[in-house]
Amino acid sequence: DAKTTQPPSMDCAEGRAANLPCNHSTISGNEYVYWYRQIHSQGPQYIIHGLKNNETNEMASLIITEDRKSSTLILPHATLRDTAVYYCIVRVVWAGGKLIFGQGTELSVKP
Amino acid sequence: SAVISQKPSRDICQRGTSLTIQCQVDSQVTMMFWYRQQPGQSLTLIATANQGSEATYESGFVIDKFPISRPNLTFSTLTVSNMSPEDSSIYLCSVEEELNYGYTFGSGTRLTIV
Repeated sequence: DAKTTQPPSMDCAEGRAANLPCNHSTISGNEYVYWYRQIHSQGPQYIIHGLKNNETNEMASLIITEDRKSSTLILPHATLRDTAVYYCIVRVVWAGGKLIFGQGTELSVKP
Repeated sequence: SAVISQKPSRDICQRGTSLTIQCQVDSQVTMMFWYRQQPGQSLTLIATANQGSEATYESGFVIDKFPISRPNLTFSTLTVSNMSPEDSSIYLCSVEEELNYGYTFGSGTRLTIV
């Protein structure tokens, strides 16, 4: 599975959009981009995933560049409860495809 | 999505002892995984729990230290054997839900070895 690079930490003002970048320059054509987050003392929570098209759900939007070498997770209106570590992961989607975590970005949403 | 129950939620153990962590899922799932999260660190995959066969371990993890059982499609156990303070971590069970290919995680077992 391809490796990802994320900034170790970011701050965001409450109510503003949080844009979390991820670099995955060695991604293969059959690898998806996944985002998870881990709020302190809890198990990781699935946010969103995509292959090459932009995706949106009730939690966030995922923007993948045309060359698929990077992506951005957007939390449109960050709240204090969005403070967490956010993990960007690339993996091949097949039964048993492993989820390998990097170091993630620690997002602090401030009032 | 699947609901995962992990027991115990936390424990304090003496070094040299062993502890078995249970993971119960409310629906049948094909893939179950065990992760370790050391203090202040990211998650590390220990092994894939295979139903009806031996678990598949990642590099750096061995069956003698972390024996795993998977008797059916809703249950798995992870044993941490002959514990030392370095085994103090959060251990998490995870399942893959085939519908959206996302993983669901349990709330974890916080283990402290003294």
